[in-house]
Amino acid sequence: QQQVKQSPQSLIVQKGGISIINCAYENTAFDYFPWYQQFPGKGPALLIAIRPDVSEKKEGRFTISFNKSAKQFSLHIMDSQPGDSATYFCAASMGGRRALTFGSGTRLQVQP
Amino acid sequence: DGGITQSPKYLFRKEGQNVTLSCEQNLNHDAMYWYRQDPGQGLRLIYYSQIVNDFQKGDIAEGYSVSREKKESFPLTVTSAQKNPTAFYLCASSSQGGGGQPQHFGDGTRLSIL
Repeated sequence: QQQVKQSPQSLIVQKGGISIINCAYENTAFDYFPWYQQFPGKGPALLIAIRPDVSEKKEGRFTISFNKSAKQFSLHIMDSQPGDSATYFCAASMGGRRALTFGSGTRLQVQP
Repeated sequence: DGGITQSPKYLFRKEGQNVTLSCEQNLNHDAMYWYRQDPGQGLRLIYYSQIVNDFQKGDIAEGYSVSREKKESFPLTVTSAQKNPTAFYLCASSSQGGGGQPQHFGDGTRLSIL
């Protein structure tokens, strides 16, 4: 019930392409879905987040798509750049506990 | 600048030894968290605290202990009972409030066994 499943494990995209990372969850009590970006040796940094009352949220080149009925959400990175090469984590939390349940991560490599 | 400071950056533990990882925040956040990250895996919750003098076990609390005597500090002790302590440890904090609140992370402590 607490799991968040993330795919793919790794992703290689050409510069200027679209990177898509998918996550699925089981616990319908989750009410907050953030995405984090992590560079080697650093802590994760919040990229963008969504709540289940909206189906899409866009911030610059980053978009979250959310499908409540399918219990899935995804991150789209438009016009991917070499500087986007990092590990991306989806996560979810619910009101009472607030601590995040993380997906297993996607290592993104954007080739120049 | 507001943020979370974790120290030390690298730490080595001998067999049978307890070690303590420091986490300090100046964001005035009520909630603080400890996560463990293993290579190729996501972060797993060790302990969390939503208010001073109170904390809750996370998913992998065995072999770890915490204290929360001050709002800005949430140290984690890795005890000798934790048989596989080698990992990257991350501390985070967030404000309270309804629904989800963004968690801010420190830059971690990498713990290894000597």
